[in-house]
Amino acid sequence: AQSVTQPDIHITVSEGASLELRCNYSYGATPYLFWYVQSPGQGLQLLLKYFSGDTLVQGIKGFEAEFKRSQSSFNLRKPSVHWSDAAEYFCAVGNSGYSTLTFGKGTMLLVSP
Amino acid sequence: DAGITQSPRHKVTETGTPVTLRCHQTENHRYMYWYRQDPGHGLRLIHYSYGVKDTDKGEVSDGYSVSRSKTEDFLLTLESATSSQTSVYFCAISESTPASGGPNTGELFFGEGSRLTVL
Repeated sequence: AQSVTQPDIHITVSEGASLELRCNYSYGATPYLFWYVQSPGQGLQLLLKYFSGDTLVQGIKGFEAEFKRSQSSFNLRKPSVHWSDAAEYFCAVGNSGYSTLTFGKGTMLLVSP
Repeated sequence: DAGITQSPRHKVTETGTPVTLRCHQTENHRYMYWYRQDPGHGLRLIHYSYGVKDTDKGEVSDGYSVSRSKTEDFLLTLESATSSQTSVYFCAISESTPASGGPNTGELFFGEGSRLTVL
């Protein structure tokens, strides 16, 4: 069965500093990988996705993520965090031709002034 | 934004009462899903549907049933609500064949959520 681990429950970053959120997955074949963001009281919005090709993918709001098969990781990065990035971030894994995603437990990002 | 509407958005009910949550989509997507979100657990799949009258169980299906009589509507029913079913419920949809002709990536589009409190 596929699974996702987000090791950090909370992360606090100063505004303007760089950000990296960790995601490790477990899946036997080539995974489809996603990062979603959830602002308080809202649904989830897709930030970016990977399913083939270039292992460095660009997303919305200046986010990027890198797929590293050898480490079973798909970490999310942003070079300079803005206060509006404060939210909960979820990593998810799926597979080709398959119809459900498995989500991690989420990482809450706090941005300090 | 994907055309997904959940109703009701908020509901308070008592233990033992039946509850039905509705998800309505205007995208004509084949797949529809119900997830629940709880602190410390992330999102967990309850049930999903891959077509009219075609449904399957997810990770946490006990105590829940679903129905899909039309492409656009996916209903989640709690036959006898319990306090452990207090949660935020999210409906999601995905394409089976993306317009680009590429593989089914399983990308989900989410509704705004329904907050259910069982007293």
